Amino acid sequence: QAQLVQSGAEVKKPGASVKVSCKAFGYIFVGYFLHWVRQAPGQRLEWMGWVNPNTGSTNFVQKFQDRVTMTTDTSIDTAYLELSRLRSDDTAIYYCARDRETGIRGEVDVWGEGTTVTVSS
Amino acid sequence: EIVMTQSPATLSVSPGERATLSCRASQSVNYFLAWYQQIPGQAPRLLIYGASTRATGIPARFSGSRSGTEFTLTISSLQSEDFAVYYCQQYSDWPYTFGQGTKVEI
Repeated sequence: QAQLVQSGAEVKKPGASVKVSCKAFGYIFVGYFLHWVRQAPGQRLEWMGWVNPNTGSTNFVQKFQDRVTMTTDTSIDTAYLELSRLRSDDTAIYYCARDRETGIRGEVDVWGEGTTVTVSS
Repeated sequence: EIVMTQSPATLSVSPGERATLSCRASQSVNYFLAWYQQIPGQAPRLLIYGASTRATGIPARFSGSRSGTEFTLTISSLQSEDFAVYYCQQYSDWPYTFGQGTKVEI
């Protein structure tokens, strides 16, 4: 059964960077796009972007363009989200999620458990 | 960016009752609409995609429909495990966007 397992909670100071990992189990990692979605306290879910593990291509939401990096390591079936120049409003739960079918569709049916990132001085 | 608006914000129902949740898109998203359930402390779970197709393993009491830019999620007979927050999401246009959620409570 397909599963995504994320790295543990992080506490960072404003201006720092954070890198969250997402390891895939139970399916062919390079066969499905991976998305990153975040949820700030009391806020709606917010899409950040996606990465194609097969090619390494990415697409980001414009507001994150200059601060986000999404990469994959296909040798260990793991995806990474790195967010730089952290601000207090980046405090959120960060989820990785897999597209339901091969190719980019935007229906995500396998979710990681979430990684809490807290930005505080 | 397409704005998704859900109503009501909170829906109070009793177990066994029918729940109807609404979602409106600010412009056409065709059938590229999904519904997710989120129980507090858990990741979202995909319920419906393509506006009306149930995801794998989702009970038949969950159904989705579309009328233009208006979408509806219906839970025919609420079970105790259905009390949660429900989000709609469009994937017609980038960036994909979610509604603000409807909380279904007792």
